[in-house]
Amino acid sequence: KQEVTQIPAALSVPEGENLVLNCSFTDSAIYNLQWFRQDPGKGLTSLLLIQSSQREQTSGRLNASLDKSSGRSTLYIAASQPGDSATYLCAAGGGTYKYIFGTGTRLKVLA
Amino acid sequence: ETGVTQSPTHLIKTRGQQVTLRCSSQSGHNTVSWYQQALGQGPQFIFQYYREEENGRGNFPPRFSGLQFPNYSSELNVNALELDDSALYLCASSPPPLGSPGELFFGEGSRLTVL
Repeated sequence: KQEVTQIPAALSVPEGENLVLNCSFTDSAIYNLQWFRQDPGKGLTSLLLIQSSQREQTSGRLNASLDKSSGRSTLYIAASQPGDSATYLCAAGGGTYKYIFGTGTRLKVLA
Repeated sequence: ETGVTQSPTHLIKTRGQQVTLRCSSQSGHNTVSWYQQALGQGPQFIFQYYREEENGRGNFPPRFSGLQFPNYSSELNVNALELDDSALYLCASSPPPLGSPGELFFGEGSRLTVL
């Protein structure tokens, strides 16, 4: 049974810092891994999707990596801004058409 | 390009009542998935619809049911509401082909409160 864990649960950093959010999963037989951003009371916004055959994906200041063998993915945010404050969720997609989500990392970037 | 839209955005029901939530998929997307997100938790998979048929189901009782229509829009129905059904209900659509699983694009959700 797939389980997804995100550490830390909450993070507070000063503006301008580079930071890394961690996501680990127990079953390495995944098809893809997707990172999302969620603002309070809102839906999820897709940030990056990494296919199982890929090692990383980049979009602007965001870079996500995937290491299936170790059951880990990381989301790297460069030069953080107050507007990056949100909850970041990772989700592992397996062969049953569903995603298993972590409980998220709540990020606060201080001006 | 129109994104995923959900209605209603908020609703309040009492225990034992029934509720229907609606979702319009993003243009060109033929697969719809529903997720339940309790406060402070990650979303949990309810079920997925593809070509108007249920294509997978999570660990939810039969009182959670759904439909997909020929235009790929979808409904989630919950009967005999319980207090624990209070949550944010999220609809996500995925583009073809039917992957395992496809990339998810979410709507803003429907916030259900059961009193």
